[in-house]
Amino acid sequence: AQTVTQSQPEMSVQEAETVTLSCTYDTSESDYYLFWYKQPPSRQMILVIRQEAYKQQNATENRFSVNFQKAAKSFSLKISDSQLGDAAMYFCAYRRLISNFGNEKLTFGTGTRLTIIP
Amino acid sequence: KAGVTQTPRYLIKTRGQQVTLSCSPISGHRSVSWYQQTPGQGLQFLFEYFSETQRNKGNFPGRFSGRQFSNSRSEMNVSTLELGDSALYLCASSLLGRRNTEAFFGQGTRLTVV
Repeated sequence: AQTVTQSQPEMSVQEAETVTLSCTYDTSESDYYLFWYKQPPSRQMILVIRQEAYKQQNATENRFSVNFQKAAKSFSLKISDSQLGDAAMYFCAYRRLISNFGNEKLTFGTGTRLTIIP
Repeated sequence: KAGVTQTPRYLIKTRGQQVTLSCSPISGHRSVSWYQQTPGQGLQFLFEYFSETQRNKGNFPGRFSGRQFSNSRSEMNVSTLELGDSALYLCASSLLGRRNTEAFFGQGTRLTVV
């Protein structure tokens, strides 16, 4: 079974600084996707960034970027120029691609609570 | 484009009762998944529906069931509620296909069992 581990229950960063959230996963599959979701106090899960396992290039979305190390099964999220609105729970998630039309369930880590210090 | 809509947002039920939660996916999305989020167990997969058929099911007792209608709207039902069923229930909708793997979530239904 696939597992996702986030070893940092809480992190804090000064506004405008950079922070990196860690995530490791375990799978025997070769074709899968990894995601970072953000859950603010409103509780809605918002997709931050995604990475396709077959792509070696790390994904970036504005201030958000990932460091994807497939061999090490590591998928960290870097947030640059942190803003107060970035404060939230961040979840790392794994999804196996079972076919061109099939999606399997998302397996989530336990989350990292990110606090932004003004 | 409207997002995923879950109703109701909040619900208080008594132990032993049953409850039905509703989820309307993003227009055009035919895959709907349900997740339970609790402080102790985190986010756990309940089930997924596509074209009115349950395709995947998580490790939950038979008291948890769901269905999907022809317009892709989905409902989940929990019978004989227990205190431990208190949770945030999240619905997510997706397109299918290699390039459409993102799940878009609703705001959730907060269920409290007393």
